[in-house]
Amino acid sequence: DTGVSQDPRHKITKRGQNVTFRCDPISEHNRLYWYRQTLGQGPEFLTYFQNEAQLEKSRLLSDRFSAERPKGSFSTLEIQRTEQGDSAMYLCASSPTVGNEQFFGPGTRLTVL
Amino acid sequence: DAKTTQPPSMDCAEGRAANLPCNHSTISGNEYVYWYRQIHSQGPQYIIHGLKNNETNEMASLIITEDRKSSTLILPHATLRDTAVYYCIVRVYTSGTYKYIFGTGTRLKVLA
Repeated sequence: DTGVSQDPRHKITKRGQNVTFRCDPISEHNRLYWYRQTLGQGPEFLTYFQNEAQLEKSRLLSDRFSAERPKGSFSTLEIQRTEQGDSAMYLCASSPTVGNEQFFGPGTRLTVL
Repeated sequence: DAKTTQPPSMDCAEGRAANLPCNHSTISGNEYVYWYRQIHSQGPQYIIHGLKNNETNEMASLIITEDRKSSTLILPHATLRDTAVYYCIVRVYTSGTYKYIFGTGTRLKVLA
């Protein structure tokens, strides 16, 4: 399968713990996006990478959140000192340089107890 | 802030056309309208997009009003597998890329 993949698909953690999610975009897509989706809402933009450069961060991305894309391929999203309000689906999407459609992965569902 | 408004839910009989409306009255002249759908517990799936002309592909048709303040997604022959949340999205350009602004979506239920 050559689509966007995310790992893990589900994560349950206790408040205060750190978690890290991984996204593998479609090969040769140099644009990568992270979104957060809470129950009953549409996805909300968090951050965007072009190759390894993080070019935009939403104000939703507090200091406890950090994202990286070290070699311009896969990306990680880390949440430190998780809070119950961080419980959500975290979606990753990628798009090619030319062309605008974003291809979404299946998401990582985070539950903070 | 969402730039689109959609009804929260709709029902459609199997085999009939599903017409999903969307208002985007504040859309700018160069901003496209995209439609995605999301089946439970999966990532959003692309359906169609357009700027001002009507568009059709193998999945759906998109009708955009002349003033571009609203659009309608048409699934010509809905099946049970089309049951999903449908998002009307405005694509905005910022920081060197295109960003999707999602609304809250319409939950479409196709009835047998």
